Amino acid sequence: GENVEQHPSTLSVQEGDSAVIKCTYSDSASNYFPWYKQELGKRPQLIIDIRSNVGEKKDQRIAVTLNKTAKHFSLHITETQPEDSAVYFCAPYNFNKFYFGSGTKLNVKP
Amino acid sequence: GAGVSQSPRYKVAKRGQDVALRCDPISGHVSLFWYQQALGQGPEFLTYFQNEAQLDKSGLPSDRFFAERPEGSVSTLKIQRTQQEDSAVYLCASSNVDEQYFGPGTRLTVT
Repeated sequence: GENVEQHPSTLSVQEGDSAVIKCTYSDSASNYFPWYKQELGKRPQLIIDIRSNVGEKKDQRIAVTLNKTAKHFSLHITETQPEDSAVYFCAPYNFNKFYFGSGTKLNVKP
Repeated sequence: GAGVSQSPRYKVAKRGQDVALRCDPISGHVSLFWYQQALGQGPEFLTYFQNEAQLDKSGLPSDRFFAERPEGSVSTLKIQRTQQEDSAVYLCASSNVDEQYFGPGTRLTVT
């Protein structure tokens, strides 16, 4: 199976600062790497993803970078806003299964 | 278009009762997943369907848990003889290739 670790578990930043969350995984067969945002009491929402043939992908203020050799991928949020406050999960995918990390609670202080 | 829906949204069951949770995936999505999410934790995989075939049920915690998707669309997760440790949010997700979309979940409380 897959062993997924996410760091940090909590992150507090000032509005306008950047935030970076890192996800490490163990199975080199993983080939799809999504990040989900979950606000309190709501469903996880896919915010960005990357596939194993790409090293970086950007969508406005969020980006994901992938290092397949080192088996980690990271979520980058620039110019953070209070509405970015949520729990973020990585979930590397292989063999029809997503393996969720334990989550990072991001708090953006106004 | 319509997203993934789940019903009921909330369910309170007395210990020992059976419950059935329903998931309506996005129309045309081949893959369907069930997850269990305890408070403060990430979703834990329970089972996976490709159309009507249950290809992986390795995450089901005991034989009290049973899932089906008989016609390859709607799915039902059944829990027999509920226990307090079954209290959690049960999430359903569907996908066509790999992008996965979640339903709002069913919050199950066993008293």
